[in-house]
Amino acid sequence: AQSVAQPEDQVNVAEGNPLTVKCTYSVSGNPYLFWYVQYPNRGLQFLLKYITGDNLVKGSYGFEAEFNKSQTSFHLKKPSALVSDSALYFCAVSDFGTGGFKTIFGAGTRLFVKA
Amino acid sequence: EAGVTQFPSHSVIEKGQTVTLRCDPISGHDNLYWYRRVMGKEIKFLLHFVKESKQDESGMPNNRFLAERTGGTYSTLKVQPAELEDSGVYFCASSQVSTGELFFGEGSRLTVL
Repeated sequence: AQSVAQPEDQVNVAEGNPLTVKCTYSVSGNPYLFWYVQYPNRGLQFLLKYITGDNLVKGSYGFEAEFNKSQTSFHLKKPSALVSDSALYFCAVSDFGTGGFKTIFGAGTRLFVKA
Repeated sequence: EAGVTQFPSHSVIEKGQTVTLRCDPISGHDNLYWYRRVMGKEIKFLLHFVKESKQDESGMPNNRFLAERTGGTYSTLKVQPAELEDSGVYFCASSQVSTGELFFGEGSRLTVL
């Protein structure tokens, strides 16, 4: 069965410092991997995805994520954090099952960037 | 282009009452999904429509939940009768293809007292 784990409930980082939000997954086949962000009182917004190809994918707002097949991880990164990056981040994985493609989400990691 | 819209944004009902949540997906998106997030836990999959057909309803908690998508446009999710554990935020999302990114509404927060 598919599963997604985000081991950190919250990540704290100072503005200007690099940030990493961790995600590991478990799927039966080749995964489609996603990161979404949720700002207060808003719906989730797509940040980036990995389907195939280069293990480092770039997305919106300067974020990138690295796919590591051997570690089954897809950590979200940004070289220099902004206060405006403070939000809730969700990792997601899509896999093909009996009901077709289904996307499941992790529990979310709250990122707090301090000025 | 209008995004995914959900109504109501917040509903407070008593245990045993009925609530109907509505989702209008992005025009032209055949795939429509319902998810629920309870008290800071993971966003849990409920079901997936392709046009008017239920592709996957494996995440529906029990028969108190009924989802419809008549005509393949908007969708409703009815909870009848509501229980305390049904409280949470119900998200609707749509996509052009099932393997693509999901576009989410702002969610409907349900509080059952």
